Amino acid sequence: NAGVTQTPKFQVLKTGQSMTLQCAQDMNHNSMYWYRQDPGMGLRLIYYSASEGTTDKGEVPNGYNVSRLNKREFSLRLESAAPSQTSVYFCASAPVEIFSNQPQHFGDGTRLSIL
Amino acid sequence: AQKVTQAQTEISVVEKEDVTLDCVYETRDTTYYLFWYKQPPSGELVFLIRRNSFDEQNEISGRYSWNFQKSTSSFNFTITASQVVDSAVYFCALSEVAAGGSYIPTFGRGTSLIVHP
Repeated sequence: NAGVTQTPKFQVLKTGQSMTLQCAQDMNHNSMYWYRQDPGMGLRLIYYSASEGTTDKGEVPNGYNVSRLNKREFSLRLESAAPSQTSVYFCASAPVEIFSNQPQHFGDGTRLSIL
Repeated sequence: AQKVTQAQTEISVVEKEDVTLDCVYETRDTTYYLFWYKQPPSGELVFLIRRNSFDEQNEISGRYSWNFQKSTSSFNFTITASQVVDSAVYFCALSEVAAGGSYIPTFGRGTSLIVHP
């Protein structure tokens, strides 16, 4: 099915290791987002990209970097993983340049554990 | 600043009961959007409804209904005759215009609904 694809689905890292979470959408959406979900905290925005070539910080950007590689792909990088970054990460996309009144389409999530 | 409060952390009901999930929001904007999402145990996020700040009409979709009241800054979600398949975490979200003109969504912490057979 068309939608938002995240890879990997699961990952275990050691403290200090780096990794990149990949996200791709095939709906020709302009906006893409990265969230983290922690128990009892809801979804918190890490970074977003309103359109190809632009990225902005969200609520919890520290420890992360992002790249909007092209219109389809938006990656999230952890340069030096810390146990506090253990979480479920969701990528989302929306069909207009700004979030506006369109719903976001979410990927299935990446469960990341940092030991 | 924007804020979404879902005061009910967990609700437990027996099948066929009606249940209302509360959502209270704070915003200074006159233009904003409200959403509800469902997250079943499988973990994916499913869009349920969108409402803009100028449309206070209540909406009904099958067993689901939403009550938007600007006077109380609330956007409550009611499930009629609940079913076991309704068991999930439900998120309310608010999107208003941020600096630079972009819309940034804020999610509530979610309400876990457990429907017992």
